[in-house]
Amino acid sequence: RKEVEQDPGPFNVPEGATVAFNCTYSNSASQSFFWYRQDCRKEPKLLMSVYSSGNEDGRFTAQLNRASQYISLLIRDSKLSDSATYLCVVNNAGNRLAFGKGNQVVVIP
Amino acid sequence: SAVISQKPSRDICQRGTSLTIQCQVDSQVTMMFWYRQQPGQSLTLIATANQGSEATYESGFVIDKFPISRPNLTFSTLTVSNMSPEDSSIYLCSSFGGIEYGSTEAFFGQGTRLTVV
Repeated sequence: RKEVEQDPGPFNVPEGATVAFNCTYSNSASQSFFWYRQDCRKEPKLLMSVYSSGNEDGRFTAQLNRASQYISLLIRDSKLSDSATYLCVVNNAGNRLAFGKGNQVVVIP
Repeated sequence: SAVISQKPSRDICQRGTSLTIQCQVDSQVTMMFWYRQQPGQSLTLIATANQGSEATYESGFVIDKFPISRPNLTFSTLTVSNMSPEDSSIYLCSSFGGIEYGSTEAFFGQGTRLTVV
């Protein structure tokens, strides 16, 4: 089983709509969780950390479910500029990061 | 936050040759990481570069193929040796925020897009 699993999509989202996706992780001892954004031909950049209590940053909401070992990302009121690949990242012991394949989001006018 | 300068940004290389990729961080960092990202795939960790000791390689990656240097706390190189077309990929270096910040946010270099012909 892969350390981090994501459905790559693509997720075609009408502008202004809401899109949500999950990722699952296999290591129950994983310590911290993140969503990174990767634009085409660019390096990944941190979008937001994911906390046990859930957290929100503007139109983005992240949730963590430790019991079921998944994290989620919800994007409200999608903008064209949200088109990117969203990488689920899990930090295991020793700052060793495991990456999902990413959810490719395409926002359509 | 940390800024990582990576070069070259891209290269086209003949099979059998070697390419060295450099990463410079603008602050001292304990660990640096080297990843490979093949088209449509996730980032795969190649090795962790430790200052003052040998790099720690992940399963499937060996030092003879991917020698790494880490001469100080701000710099590292990855060499892709005896290249074949299967080595065509994007290579990324990464670190966490500077030592003094204890950051859990990972920063990445801009990536090196390697094509082996």
